[in-house]
Amino acid sequence: KAGVTQTPRYLIKTRGQQVTLSCSPISGHRSVSWYQQTPGQGLQFLFEYFSETQRNKGNFPGRFSGRQFSNSRSEMNVSTLELGDSALYLCASSLDPSQGDYGYTFGSGTRLTVV
Amino acid sequence: AQSVSQHNHHVILSEAASLELGCNYSYGGTVNLFWYVQYPGQHLQLLLKYFSGDPLVKGIKGFEAEFIKSKFSFNLRKPSVQWSDTAEYFCAVNEDDYKLSFGAGTTVTVRA
Repeated sequence: KAGVTQTPRYLIKTRGQQVTLSCSPISGHRSVSWYQQTPGQGLQFLFEYFSETQRNKGNFPGRFSGRQFSNSRSEMNVSTLELGDSALYLCASSLDPSQGDYGYTFGSGTRLTVV
Repeated sequence: AQSVSQHNHHVILSEAASLELGCNYSYGGTVNLFWYVQYPGQHLQLLLKYFSGDPLVKGIKGFEAEFIKSKFSFNLRKPSVQWSDTAEYFCAVNEDDYKLSFGAGTTVTVRA
């Protein structure tokens, strides 16, 4: 079966711009979560969505937002980009952690560079 | 908030040596535990996971991990490593709050 698909793979943006990243989960998976990976901070949780509802949010400023569509696809948006937002953004999907399924599968990520 | 500690930042081994990576977490309640691996240039892959039951968990590629509740630990082991095990290894914990808390990662370099 197809894995978690993230687009685009690479992105270069200028400070102050905004960016939208996309994630298509594994077919049938209804939970989508997002993580930021940087050399200094490691892997940090951004937010999790299930059935178009955000169920948990990490400790990131309001410039980071996300949404989930009825087909479970998810997007995350970062507004007013800062140099420190340069990172690998990872998406993970799962059937439903609230039902005891914690089989998170990760995508290959979107590498965002802010210049 | 959950914190996850991985004891070693970088481990260098020769092929056929045994590997053990330490992981400790802070939460005292029920947790789900994971080890992920990230090979150079590749995405995170699940090695193994523990939800309940037998505290000795076997995963892919000959890896296993032992959950010791009294020590809040979930250490990863492999009896004999190969050059292809060169990668970064992450321990992760879930507290049933829809997120994974990751350790800082351990880079493992296996010399041929």
